[in-house]
Amino acid sequence: ELKVEQNPLFLSMQEGKNYTIYCNYSTTSDRLYWYRQDPGKSLESLFVLLSNGAVKQEGRLMASLDTKARLSTLHITAAVHDLSATYFCAVEPGTASKLTFGTGTRLQVTL
Amino acid sequence: GAVVSQHPSRVICKSGTSVKIECRSLDFQATTMFWYRQFPKQSLMLMATSNEGSKATYEQGVEKDKFLINHASLTLSTLTVTSAHPEDSSFYICSARDPGRTEAFFGQGTRLTVV
Repeated sequence: ELKVEQNPLFLSMQEGKNYTIYCNYSTTSDRLYWYRQDPGKSLESLFVLLSNGAVKQEGRLMASLDTKARLSTLHITAAVHDLSATYFCAVEPGTASKLTFGTGTRLQVTL
Repeated sequence: GAVVSQHPSRVICKSGTSVKIECRSLDFQATTMFWYRQFPKQSLMLMATSNEGSKATYEQGVEKDKFLINHASLTLSTLTVTSAHPEDSSFYICSARDPGRTEAFFGQGTRLTVV
């Protein structure tokens, strides 16, 4: 059974600080996704990582994938309050299209 | 970009009644759609895979007679929660993948409250 774990589960950080969210998964997969969820809302796609060594950046967020270590990271640079949300990674084993989601990381950026 | 529309966004129903949730792919055809469930402050759990023209595939522990899935066309899947009970109250989200693109797209979600 595929397990996807994120840490930390909750992160409170000050504006301007940097931090990294980790996503570990238990079986081989070449596809990993990062999503953002605001309270009461659905998921917003952030990054699609399709191969070992993939790195993508958008604004203050940067995601990377190491398929050998079964690890993805979401790095936050100089956090701002608008980044406060819950972040999920999701793994797609093979080409089944169904996703197994991580436990989620609730990020709170304080002024 | 590809859009998945889910309706209704919010529904309140009485115990014992049934509720139908629709999931539509608006600008692409989806032979497969997925239904997820999310409890407050928890992650998304896959309930079932909806297959156009055939039976849905349910994940372990999901009652197929309670959560009826119909995928009658390439752009529409429905989830019916039958004989709803308060413990069925949750946030239900559908997703579909545009065959021409890599990522899956998610509907807006349906907040179901059973009273």
